[in-house]
Amino acid sequence: AQKITQTQPGMFVQEKEAVTLDCTYDTSDPSYGLFWYKQPSSGEMIFLIYQGSYDQQNATEGRYSLNFQKARKSANLVISASQLGDSAMYFCAMREGLVRNTPLVFGKGTRLSVIA
Amino acid sequence: EAGVAQSPRYKIIEKRQSVAFWCNPISGHATLYWYQQILGQGPKLLIQFQNNGVVDDSQLPKDRFSAERLKGVDSTLKIQPAKLEDSAVYLCASSYYRDTIRNTGELFFGEGSRLTVL
Repeated sequence: AQKITQTQPGMFVQEKEAVTLDCTYDTSDPSYGLFWYKQPSSGEMIFLIYQGSYDQQNATEGRYSLNFQKARKSANLVISASQLGDSAMYFCAMREGLVRNTPLVFGKGTRLSVIA
Repeated sequence: EAGVAQSPRYKIIEKRQSVAFWCNPISGHATLYWYQQILGQGPKLLIQFQNNGVVDDSQLPKDRFSAERLKGVDSTLKIQPAKLEDSAVYLCASSYYRDTIRNTGELFFGEGSRLTVL
């Protein structure tokens, strides 16, 4: 069964606008962590933001915020004030359980293109 | 702090040939992962090491793939013989294993090794 679903293969956004990338997840474990990574054309996966299942507040990191809706099992990434350098693939990932070195399971990704 | 180093960045081989990829994780990171990323898909775990021991290799095609992490630092992933469907980017990642609230356990990735099998 698909644990991480990213339904948007590609998205376009105007420079300086905000954009939301969707992610839904499936787990029966009450303890889990959700991650977003950015993969530019160079290939390296860059960690953006983390949300723990017990965190009371939505995570924020600079221009990135995570819209965490636990009951709906969604963890959407919001990028504010888009920049040309934000053009990349974005992956949502999940770690089940509390053990910090449990491998991440990734979604298929969303390609974001920022237009000048 | 140096990041995760991988080599080679690119490799083109004929099917049935062999290939090896090398990874040097971030210093002090006990956990090392190899992921396979086929074009248009997200990374998929092949194998996980904790120090020099294998934690999870359930998704490693053991008839053709092998991996080792001698001395708990560098790791090598080998494919022999290669098939067309092995064309992918092989990503190495490491993490700092500490079960504390502050440690999110995020993975630090290298730039990957892109394999093309002809």
